[in-house]
Amino acid sequence: AQSVTQPDIHITVSEGASLELRCNYSYGATPYLFWYVQSPGQGLQLLLKYFSGDTLVQGIKGFEAEFKRSQSSFNLRKPSVHWSDAAEYFCAVGDAAGNKLTFGGGTRVLVKP
Amino acid sequence: DTGVSQDPRHKITKRGQNVTFRCDPISEHNRLYWYRQTLGQGPEFLTYFQNEAQLEKSRLLSDRFSAERPKGSFSTLEIQRTEQGDSAMYLCASSPRTGPDTQYFGPGTRLTVL
Repeated sequence: AQSVTQPDIHITVSEGASLELRCNYSYGATPYLFWYVQSPGQGLQLLLKYFSGDTLVQGIKGFEAEFKRSQSSFNLRKPSVHWSDAAEYFCAVGDAAGNKLTFGGGTRVLVKP
Repeated sequence: DTGVSQDPRHKITKRGQNVTFRCDPISEHNRLYWYRQTLGQGPEFLTYFQNEAQLEKSRLLSDRFSAERPKGSFSTLEIQRTEQGDSAMYLCASSPRTGPDTQYFGPGTRLTVL
């Protein structure tokens, strides 16, 4: 069975500082990996995804993520956060058939002025 | 292209009542998914459709829950005899094809069972 762990429940970061959110997954085959962002009261918006190829993927809003198969990780990064980045971030793994996504518990990001 | 829409956005009901939610996927997306998200948790898969066929149901989907997607367009999720534990955000998503692809999420329906 597939699973996702996001070890950090909350992260507080100063505006302009860098951000890294951790994601570890468990999946027996080639993983299809996603990062979504959810603002209060909103649905989920896709930030980026990894299916194959270059292990460093670029997404929207200046985010990037790196797939490391040896560590079963797909960490999300942003060099300089903006106050509008305050939200909850979810890592997810999908299967090859596209049947469903399995999400981590999420990381809530607070941005200090 | 309009996104995934869900109706209603909020629903408050009393325990024991039946509720029905609607999801309209992005036009021509043949896969439609339902997830449930409780406070402080990530979304959990409930069920999905390929066109009008319901292909998988999670064990989370008790027999009080039923989902349909007539004609492969919009979908409804009905909860019968609601319980307080059903209080959650119900999210719908669609994707354009079979195989791994981006799932596009709607804004969700927040259910509160009193």
